[in-house]
Amino acid sequence: GEDVEQSLFLSVREGDSSVINCTYTDSSSTYLYWYKQEPGAGLQLLTYIFSNMDMKQDQRLTVLLNKKDKHLSLRIADTQTGDSAIYFCAESIPDGNNRLAFGKGNQVVVIP
Amino acid sequence: DGGITQSPKYLFRKEGQNVTLSCEQNLNHDAMYWYRQDPGQGLRLIYYSQIVNDFQKGDIAEGYSVSREKKESFPLTVTSAQKNPTAFYLCASSTPGQYQPQHFGDGTRLSIL
Repeated sequence: GEDVEQSLFLSVREGDSSVINCTYTDSSSTYLYWYKQEPGAGLQLLTYIFSNMDMKQDQRLTVLLNKKDKHLSLRIADTQTGDSAIYFCAESIPDGNNRLAFGKGNQVVVIP
Repeated sequence: DGGITQSPKYLFRKEGQNVTLSCEQNLNHDAMYWYRQDPGQGLRLIYYSQIVNDFQKGDIAEGYSVSREKKESFPLTVTSAQKNPTAFYLCASSTPGQYQPQHFGDGTRLSIL
């Protein structure tokens, strides 16, 4: 079965880069997603990457995928106070039903 | 403006009562999903529906029920059989097919009085 692991907490100074890590278990081709959750709100899709890619960049966000180690990371450049949130990685379960397996989330606190 | 609307934002329930959480979307998505979120936990799938009049149990369906009579609506009922219903409930939708990004509503927080 799919199992997605994340570390729980990260603090970072405003203007620095943040790196959030995630490991996944499914070895088949799949999509991997990063979502952001602000307090009391739903999840906002940030970006996603297919498992045959190594990297994807979208403005301040860079996703790196190490397929050998099943390791996914999200780098946020020039972190802003508005980036304070919980970040979830999710793995698409390849059963034809478009289900997702979520990690427990990583809380990022940006210090001004 | 397209999106997913969950109501109410906060809901209180007495023990032994059933309550229904609303989820409406105007994104013209065929697929809809209900998740439960507990503090420090990831999201766990309760029920999902790929098409009108059809739905499947997720990982934690016990104590919950759903209906899908209209494409835009997927209400979730938390029954009295759910022993620990206090949680944050999130609804999502997507276009049909594998690997379609899911888009989320803003959630309903359910508490037991």
